Amino acid sequence: GAVVSQHPSWVICKSGTSVKIECRSLDFQATTMFWYRQFPKQSLMLMATSNEGSKATYEQGVEKDKFLINHASLTLSTLTVTSAHPEDSSFYICSARDWGLAQPNTGELFFGEGSRLTVL
Amino acid sequence: KQEVTQIPAALSVPEGENLVLNCSFTDSAIYNLQWFRQDPGKGLTSLLLIQSSQREQTSGRLNASLDKSSGRSTLYIAASQPGDSATYLCAASGTYKYIFGTGTRLKVLA
Repeated sequence: GAVVSQHPSWVICKSGTSVKIECRSLDFQATTMFWYRQFPKQSLMLMATSNEGSKATYEQGVEKDKFLINHASLTLSTLTVTSAHPEDSSFYICSARDWGLAQPNTGELFFGEGSRLTVL
Repeated sequence: KQEVTQIPAALSVPEGENLVLNCSFTDSAIYNLQWFRQDPGKGLTSLLLIQSSQREQTSGRLNASLDKSSGRSTLYIAASQPGDSATYLCAASGTYKYIFGTGTRLKVLA
């Protein structure tokens, strides 16, 4: 199946610093990528939809100035947590749908391995 | 607005049992229904995808069914093994984004 790579897998930073997480689709082009946040023992919460070449679409309640998303190419989206605070500590996961040329064109969703952020 | 729920929330069974995990969704106008597995501290692994025109998909010991009219999908795991222990999530999608269920935490005891 398609592969989505996420980096770093874990990061520890001091309060007030910014952290960038990268999400790459390795063998398919993704015009749209999705960023999720997951709290312990809870399901995934969609934060925003990253659109290649245009602004991201944020879900209600998600601060766009806190969570900056850039989708500069068809294979790379980045999430930057700006001025991170301890409450931003969480597991962040990216995903992308493969609307490839091969049939059947299923739009299957593939996930990265996730990035665990700990803000001290 | 699509809402997805999963029952049971947690399940603990002895090895070898056949299992059924349930997923319900409120809006039947879906494009796909996808089942995922998540191990602790990891991302999600796609298990099975059922397109709206399909009724079931099978992969090894896993079988997923879809009944759009009743808004239900089930994941059947045959002859469960300790390695099947994980959280299983279902997600329903339109052509744009997926909505996830709350997950079923499965523990298979050796």
